[in-house]
Amino acid sequence: QKEVEQNSGPLSVPEGAIASLNCTYSDRVSQSFFWYRQYSGKSPELIMSIYSNGDKEDGRFTAQLNKASQYVSLLIRDSQPSDSATYLCAVNTGTASKLTFGTGTRLQVTL
Amino acid sequence: DTAVSQTPKYLVTQMGNDKSIKCEQNLGHDTMYWYKQDSKKFLKIMFSYNNKELIINETVPNRFSPKSPDKAHLNLHINSLELGDSAVYFCASSQASMLRGRETQYFGPGTRLLVL
Repeated sequence: QKEVEQNSGPLSVPEGAIASLNCTYSDRVSQSFFWYRQYSGKSPELIMSIYSNGDKEDGRFTAQLNKASQYVSLLIRDSQPSDSATYLCAVNTGTASKLTFGTGTRLQVTL
Repeated sequence: DTAVSQTPKYLVTQMGNDKSIKCEQNLGHDTMYWYKQDSKKFLKIMFSYNNKELIINETVPNRFSPKSPDKAHLNLHINSLELGDSAVYFCASSQASMLRGRETQYFGPGTRLLVL
């Protein structure tokens, strides 16, 4: 079983819609959760972090964490074509700043 | 001003050669990392240094040897390159925090290595 799992996509949503990206993780001691955005040919860029159960909002982005279900998600409201990228979920168990990444979900926002 | 920089950006070489990739960060961070991203975009940690001390050493062939001359620099030397080493190698840095595991990692632009 992979440590961090994501649907590879592509996830296609129309402009203005809500994009929902999901991630599950296997290590119950995981404490910190991150969403990175990676445009094609570019480096990963942090867009959200979440540490406690519940929702965390930042602009059009909302991260949701459910530790009991070992599930973290990212919602993107009012999706824009510029949101088209691969979204990487990353998990840290709290030791030595080691991030374990999922394989990423490719999001396509269509006009 | 580039926060995390890597050289070279592209590296094309023959099997069996030895090559090095350099990374520098000007963020004042004390922790640096090397990641490998394969053709399927899977990003995996290889090494991490904190204040020049190796703290993460994943299962990586010993042909890969990191070296941190100071906390702003982390280099990666690869001996006897193989076809499977072709990938994008990312350097990253972060600042250790009292809240362990919550540090934001900042990535460099990547080095695209192609072994022929």
